[in-house]
Amino acid sequence: ENVLTQSPGTLFLSPGERATLSCRASQSVRSSWLAWYQQIPGQAPRLLIYAASSRATGIPDRFSGSGSGTDFTLTISRLEPEDFAVYYCQQYATPPTFGQGTKVEIK
Amino acid sequence: QLQLQESGPGLLKPSETLSLTCTVSGGSISSSAYYWGWIRQPPGKGLEWIGSMYQRGTTYYNPSLDSRVTISVDPSKNQLSLKLTSVTAADTAVYYCVSPPQDWHSSGYFHMAHWGQGTLVIVSS
Repeated sequence: ENVLTQSPGTLFLSPGERATLSCRASQSVRSSWLAWYQQIPGQAPRLLIYAASSRATGIPDRFSGSGSGTDFTLTISRLEPEDFAVYYCQQYATPPTFGQGTKVEIK
Repeated sequence: QLQLQESGPGLLKPSETLSLTCTVSGGSISSSAYYWGWIRQPPGKGLEWIGSMYQRGTTYYNPSLDSRVTISVDPSKNQLSLKLTSVTAADTAVYYCVSPPQDWHSSGYFHMAHWGQGTLVIVSS
C-alpha cells in the first residue's frame, strides 16, 4: 500500500494569503497519478487537480499542483473565503489511497 | 452531465449485510466507456477507497475489504450496487458513489471527477 502523508495537519491563514500543502508518498507514484480534492463540511469532495498538475474542469487558476515521484504540492495562490476547507491528496497508480487531509482554517 | 445518487438503508445491526445502490443519470452504466467506484468516509475522518468496476465487469477491491465486498451493475435500472457483508461499527460511514472523467480509459484505478451526495450508514446494535 502506498501511504500518503499530508502536512501540515492544519494551516491557519488569512484571506488573500498563499497556501502551500504537502503530500508525501511512501513509494514513487507512477505517471504522477496523483489528485487533490477539496471538501467543505457536509459536502462530497470536489476534484481540483489530477495527474499532479492538471486542473479539473471549472477549477479556478489560483489552484495549482506540482511535484513528481514521492513529493507533491498543492498551492492556492490567494485564498478566497470559500477556500477554507479540508484538502486531500490521492494516488491512483496502484490501489487508490488518500492522505489524511490538511485543514485550511481562517486565522 | 453525469449525475450519481446513492440510496439504501441508513441503519444496520452488526453482522448484517450493507446493500447500497447508486442510480446513474446522464450516462449508461453498461457502457464500456464508463468506470465506477465506491468511496467511504467515517464521521469526522478521512476517505477510504472501497473498490471499482470497469469494462463491463472487471472489479478491483481494497485488500482490507476484499473478502466482504462485492460491486456489481444492474443495466436494466442503470444502477451500480455495493454489498458489504458482516458489518461492524467500523463500517459506519458516509458512502459515496464515484466515477472518473468521461475521457478516462487507462485503468480501473482512477481519480474521482463525479461524486454522489453520499449516504450515511450507521452500524449499531
